[in-house]
Amino acid sequence: EAGVAQSPRYKIIEKRQSVAFWCNPISGHATLYWYQQILGQGPKLLIQFQNNGVVDDSQLPKDRFSAERLKGVDSTLKIQPAKLEDSAVYLCASSSRRTPYGYTFGSGTRLTVV
Amino acid sequence: AQSVAQPEDQVNVAEGNPLTVKCTYSVSGNPYLFWYVQYPNRGLQFLLKYITGDNLVKGSYGFEAEFNKSQTSFHLKKPSALVSDSALYFCAVGARGFKTIFGAGTRLFVKA
Repeated sequence: EAGVAQSPRYKIIEKRQSVAFWCNPISGHATLYWYQQILGQGPKLLIQFQNNGVVDDSQLPKDRFSAERLKGVDSTLKIQPAKLEDSAVYLCASSSRRTPYGYTFGSGTRLTVV
Repeated sequence: AQSVAQPEDQVNVAEGNPLTVKCTYSVSGNPYLFWYVQYPNRGLQFLLKYITGDNLVKGSYGFEAEFNKSQTSFHLKKPSALVSDSALYFCAVGARGFKTIFGAGTRLFVKA
């Protein structure tokens, strides 16, 4: 089966600019996650979707971050405006009802804010 | 509060020797425990998980982990390390009704 697809792989932007990341989960996976991994730290959950509904967005900085999964398949994470501390790898993962704890991660998008 | 700790930033081991990467956790209720590996410029790759059942869990690439409830630990082990095992390893813990959280990671370096 195809894995979790993410694009772009790398992005460099200036602070205060906006950026968007895209994720296409494994076909049939109802649950989709966005994680932020800052260098030297473990991944931190930003938002979890179940189909097109938000399950958990308690750690999403909602003043600047937004995410959507309108049709319950692919998802977009946006940052506007970006800050220097947003520099990180943004990982998307998905899981199915049959294997709810077996996340499959994408390769991530490395964001550098200068 | 839920937490997970990986007390070692780096583990060094010679090829062919056994390796252990440590993980301890704190969670309310029965824990769900995971190990992931991350190679450079790659996403996290699932190695193994403990949800219920046997305390010794076998996973991918010859890795295994033992769930120890009394010590609240879930150490990752391999009997004979390979140079290709060199990577960043993450322990994660979750529980029913709680999101999964990840440790800070342990870098494993296997020397030939």
